[in-house]
Amino acid sequence: LAKTTQPISMDSYEGQEVNITCSHNNIATNDYITWYQQFPSQGPRFIIQGYKTKVTNEVASLFIPADRKSSTLSLPRVSLSDTAVYYCLVGPMDSSYKLIFGSGTRLLVRP
Amino acid sequence: ETGVTQTPRHLVMGMTNKKSLKCEQHLGHNAMYWYKQSAKKPLELMFVYSLEERVENNSVPSRFSPECPNSSHLFLHLHTLQPEDSALYLCASSQDIGSGYQETQYFGPGTRLLVL
Repeated sequence: LAKTTQPISMDSYEGQEVNITCSHNNIATNDYITWYQQFPSQGPRFIIQGYKTKVTNEVASLFIPADRKSSTLSLPRVSLSDTAVYYCLVGPMDSSYKLIFGSGTRLLVRP
Repeated sequence: ETGVTQTPRHLVMGMTNKKSLKCEQHLGHNAMYWYKQSAKKPLELMFVYSLEERVENNSVPSRFSPECPNSSHLFLHLHTLQPEDSALYLCASSQDIGSGYQETQYFGPGTRLLVL
């Protein structure tokens, strides 16, 4: 399973765009990239998933370069309620339940 | 509301007690999971069930005993726990496992367990 590396913490202000980058240098051909969000004392919540190029949904965008060795989660115009821990996960399609959660990125959004 | 409920939300138990954590999913999923999240540590996958059969047991001590009577319910039976077992225990479900794409897991709110 591919190991991921992401910043331990980030600070931002309301209304700003936040980009969290995750490195996964040994990503395999059949690996997908998934991001989860976790608020204190709650379970993680799926945000977005992608394989290559760009994926966008109502919450975020995910940018994946051609070599797929990194990915960037983009949160447009964050609010205080976006303060949470964000996890980048990489896992294979054939054993898709084997999600390895790292330490995540603790995002603090200030007023 | 994710469609996955857990009870109790908080539990305090002594090392000689026996208790059970309950998880129920209302999503029609076939796979269910138990995770442990200790303070300042990443989530650790404990057990995985698919169609009521255990498919993964990640070297979890025998004082944790899972039970999956049907695809909607998952239990974690606890006995003779240690203080270091204090953690947030999370249940999750997904449609299936290994269906050719990475399954989204839906997590419950967790049970905060304190072992004295």
